[in-house]
Amino acid sequence: AQSVSQHNHHVILSEAASLELGCNYSYGGTVNLFWYVQYPGQHLQLLLKYFSGDPLVKGIKGFEAEFIKSKFSFNLRKPSVQWSDTAEYFCAVNEMNRDDKIIFGKGTRLHILP
Amino acid sequence: ETGVTQSPTHLIKTRGQQVTLRCSSQSGHNTVSWYQQALGQGPQFIFQYYREEENGRGNFPPRFSGLQFPNYSSELNVNALELDDSALYLCASRVDSGKLFFGSGTQLSVL
Repeated sequence: AQSVSQHNHHVILSEAASLELGCNYSYGGTVNLFWYVQYPGQHLQLLLKYFSGDPLVKGIKGFEAEFIKSKFSFNLRKPSVQWSDTAEYFCAVNEMNRDDKIIFGKGTRLHILP
Repeated sequence: ETGVTQSPTHLIKTRGQQVTLRCSSQSGHNTVSWYQQALGQGPQFIFQYYREEENGRGNFPPRFSGLQFPNYSSELNVNALELDDSALYLCASRVDSGKLFFGSGTQLSVL
C-alpha cells in the first residue's frame, strides 16, 4: 500500500533561515507528488505539485521541491523563510492516472520565530 | 477563498448517533472527495464522487456513506458513531483532473 513519511513533526526556525522538509513515499509505480500547506485557521491549499518532467518544481511563495526517484523522496525547500510561513505542511502522493485517492503524510508543523 | 463551503463548522454527537455533514462546491466542480483528519494526522481519503456516483473509496467501513447532488452540493453520512470518529472532516472538489480545492472542514466530536 502507498504511504508517505514526513521526517519532522515540528520544526522551529528563525526568519531568514533556510528550510528543508523531508518527505519519502513508498509506491512502486508512477506517482504524482504534492505539497499542501495549511496556515493557521485556513483551509488546505496546494503549494506545488510534480506530475512529470523537470524534477525540480517551483511553487508559490518561493517554495520548491525536488523529486528524486531513486530515493523515493520529494523534499520541500525554501532558501529564506519568513514569519508568514508559519503553518502545517503536508506531503502527499497519488497514483498516476488514478486521480481519486491522495495519500497524505502526517504533516510537519513549521514555526518561524520573528 | 476556495469556493468550497462546509457546514456546520463544529458538531457534537454521542456514540451510536448518526451525523450528516454538508459541502457546497463551486459551480462546475463535478468531482468531490471527503477526507478525515484526526488530531495530529494528515487527511485520510474516505471516498470520492464523480457526477453523483461513488468512484473511489478508502479504508472506511460502510457506515460512512455519501451523496452528491446535481447542484454541486454533497453530503457525508456516518452511522453508528464511534469515539474514534472524532476528527476534522474535509470536503474537496475539482473540475475533472483539475486543481483540488479544500473546504475549511467540520470538526466532529463524538462523546
